[in-house]
Amino acid sequence: GAVVSQHPSWVICKSGTSVKIECRSLDFQATTMFWYRQFPKQSLMLMATSNEGSKATYEQGVEKDKFLINHASLTLSTLTVTSAHPEDSSFYICSASPGSFLQQYFGPGTRLTVT
Amino acid sequence: GQNIDQPTEMTATEGAIVQINCTYQTSGFNGLFWYQQHAGEAPTFLSYNVLDGLEEKGRFSSFLSRSKGYSYLLLKELQMKDSASYLCAVHGGATNKLIFGTGTLLAVQP
Repeated sequence: GAVVSQHPSWVICKSGTSVKIECRSLDFQATTMFWYRQFPKQSLMLMATSNEGSKATYEQGVEKDKFLINHASLTLSTLTVTSAHPEDSSFYICSASPGSFLQQYFGPGTRLTVT
Repeated sequence: GQNIDQPTEMTATEGAIVQINCTYQTSGFNGLFWYQQHAGEAPTFLSYNVLDGLEEKGRFSSFLSRSKGYSYLLLKELQMKDSASYLCAVHGGATNKLIFGTGTLLAVQP
């Protein structure tokens, strides 16, 4: 149980285009989903927290107009990187929490390369 | 502020025991997690401590001292497949989010 999927697993896009990454909880309802970014040889940095049906809460320094997060249902959250630039190239990981339980279940990650 | 410290890298020998330390200073505390992450993959859950003491789970054990803001992950009978990054993360309480340490890259050598 507690499986989280991400799609796509990797994507290459051109500078200036937008990319959407999906995060799904497959066998549980996720009241909260988290989006992280991880640069090479660094730890996970939380970008934003999203609760189903409400606006995402962004961490300091993360541009909400550039990283659009939608949590339209209890099993799906999407992250859209708008007007991508090479410095946005990173490993994006989502996690999902079934509510009161503190555990977060991580997706397999999406490798974004912006050329 | 929020601060979680771990050694950046460690090296150990196959079959040996290694201890990875984590110290933390956070505004809230609802427990401490350890995750294992292989290169290019998502973190996988190893352990959760919310009370002081040692939690043992097979070859892996985790210890917590809340008064000292300190935890360690103990790996016994090391195997080559244990080569990975080990992430210490604190659940920050009311904010309902995990704060991750820098991660410790463990290299297990034959």
